[in-house]
Amino acid sequence: GQNIDQPTEMTATEGAIVQINCTYQTSGFNGLFWYQQHAGEAPTFLSYNVLDGLEEKGRFSSFLSRSKGYSYLLLKELQMKDSASYLCAVVDSNYQLIWGAGTKLIIKP
Amino acid sequence: GAVVSQHPSRVICKSGTSVKIECRSLDFQATTMFWYRQFPKQSLMLMATSNEGSKATYEQGVEKDKFLINHASLTLSTLTVTSAHPEDSSFYICSVLTGGSSYEQYFGPGTRLTVT
Repeated sequence: GQNIDQPTEMTATEGAIVQINCTYQTSGFNGLFWYQQHAGEAPTFLSYNVLDGLEEKGRFSSFLSRSKGYSYLLLKELQMKDSASYLCAVVDSNYQLIWGAGTKLIIKP
Repeated sequence: GAVVSQHPSRVICKSGTSVKIECRSLDFQATTMFWYRQFPKQSLMLMATSNEGSKATYEQGVEKDKFLINHASLTLSTLTVTSAHPEDSSFYICSVLTGGSSYEQYFGPGTRLTVT
């Protein structure tokens, strides 16, 4: 079967760095998305990785290793507004989205 | 296992025809379902909130007469794209909101619509 694993919840301190991991086992791979979602709002696109390596976009970076079925989202200089759920989603061989359950990130002062 | 299913997963239709997309909650009864649209490499755009037994709430700019939503049961919501045009070609994703005190949202695998 197809599976996406990411931690249920993480806690970090304002100003620090946090890494949210995502591992996947899917039938085929056509890219991986990271979304940020605040409670009661629609998810916001953060990144899309299809090739191995690190992509940096401001305070957020996303890494992909296709051979390991692994991705992470790195958040630097954490701000209180970064408290949200972070969703990992993989596009499989049929171009269907396989969603992770999301990681709830709690930022403490 | 999957919590939310969508059918069909992929559909190609001719311009002017209507297409119905189903969203099913598999593991629990969902009083609230959401319909999203996604353009390539962009955020999910919330189209409407579907509440069981009542009219859907549409987001600003979404034509309710074009995108008909029916949430007739606690496990099924449908989105009908009426008189489809090529610009309606997109990826449509539904999600369900669990009940109770915790806010948990589960997304479907999406339906890829291509209008020729």
